[in-house]
Amino acid sequence: GQNIDQPTEMTATEGAIVQINCTYQTSGFNGLFWYQQHAGEAPTFLSYNVLDGLEEKGRFSSFLSRSKGYSYLLLKELQMKDSASYLCAPLMNYGGATNKLIFGTGTLLAVQP
Amino acid sequence: DGGITQSPKYLFRKEGQNVTLSCEQNLNHDAMYWYRQDPGQGLRLIYYSQIVNDFQKGDIAEGYSVSREKKESFPLTVTSAQKNPTAFYLCASSTGGANTEAFFGQGTRLTVV
Repeated sequence: GQNIDQPTEMTATEGAIVQINCTYQTSGFNGLFWYQQHAGEAPTFLSYNVLDGLEEKGRFSSFLSRSKGYSYLLLKELQMKDSASYLCAPLMNYGGATNKLIFGTGTLLAVQP
Repeated sequence: DGGITQSPKYLFRKEGQNVTLSCEQNLNHDAMYWYRQDPGQGLRLIYYSQIVNDFQKGDIAEGYSVSREKKESFPLTVTSAQKNPTAFYLCASSTGGANTEAFFGQGTRLTVV
């Protein structure tokens, strides 16, 4: 693999804020996606970062530090429906025109009442 | 409507038989990907293709084969050489550029008995 690390599981309370961290190898890095996946379903796109900094999109925000090989997804005002797996997915390019989209193992978030 | 379609949603096969999973997209996307997901795990890349008539092995290509004869289609064959083929298979497509999300099909759950 490409050494993508994110916590396996997290638990948070409804209405709270949770931060899901992800680290990855910087060599060949070309941008990073976050996806949400409910059990038995296909992943759905949440956010994309290519430059350093924070991208905000409603209740969800994503941060990237290219030099540190680090990203996080921030979920605010948690709702029960946010219980899902969150997948960190760096887009890698090792030369040429081909980009390779790879995924971490995902963080299973459980939102409790 | 534009989208990416995998069929069938559920597939059962006897051990030792080859089986081909369909993936079709009408999004005019250049890049297509096949992933495998096991229970409680992330997505692992099997094969990917940036353009027609060209594809690359991902991290777990052994026991699988693909073709990319048309831009719209990227079928995956699970061969008898794949030792543990029962899994959830996801196909995705994107424009191939560095700043575009991948769209996923609904997935095919393959069970080998």
